[in-house]
Amino acid sequence: AQRVTQPEKLLSVFKGAPVELKCNYSYSGSPELFWYVQYSRQRLQLLLRHISRESIKGFTADLNKGETSFHLKKPFAQEEDSAMYYCALLTGGGNKLTFGTGTQLKVEL
Amino acid sequence: DTEVTQTPKHLVMGMTNKKSLKCEQHMGHRAMYWYKQKAKKPPELMFVYSYEKLSINESVPSRFSPECPNSSLLNLHLHALQPEDSALYLCASSQAGRSNQPQHFGDGTRLSIL
Repeated sequence: AQRVTQPEKLLSVFKGAPVELKCNYSYSGSPELFWYVQYSRQRLQLLLRHISRESIKGFTADLNKGETSFHLKKPFAQEEDSAMYYCALLTGGGNKLTFGTGTQLKVEL
Repeated sequence: DTEVTQTPKHLVMGMTNKKSLKCEQHMGHRAMYWYKQKAKKPPELMFVYSYEKLSINESVPSRFSPECPNSSLLNLHLHALQPEDSALYLCASSQAGRSNQPQHFGDGTRLSIL
């Protein structure tokens, strides 16, 4: 069965410091991975997907199949990055999205 | 229109009531989803509709009954719910039949069972 692991429930960093939110997955097929973000009192929204290999709001994520990881990184954290971040794995022919437990990022001044 | 709209935003009901949650999207998506999210937990998949047909039921109790009347609408009918069913219910939609398609979420309906 598929599984997504986010080991940190809470990550606290200072403004301007680098950020890395960890995500590991377990899946026997070819993974399709996403990062979703939920800002305070806002809906869950897509941040990144591995297939597009783009940078959104300064965030990047690289799929490492050898380490079964899809860590989210940003070189310089901003206060507005404070939010809940979920890593998610899409399976079931593209229909079943399994979320990790989430990491609450807090950027302090 | 790039949004998924859910109504009502809040719902309080007794254990003997019957109510429905509604979800609408006009993005031309042919896959629609219901999720349940408890406080400080990730969303958990309940149902998936693909081309208006139920394709996944994650062993959800029968007191939850989904319905997809057309490609833009998704309902969740509720009957005889239990206090532990109190949660945020999220609807999502995506393109169907293609890989790597992201799901777009609504704001959710916050349900409280008395």
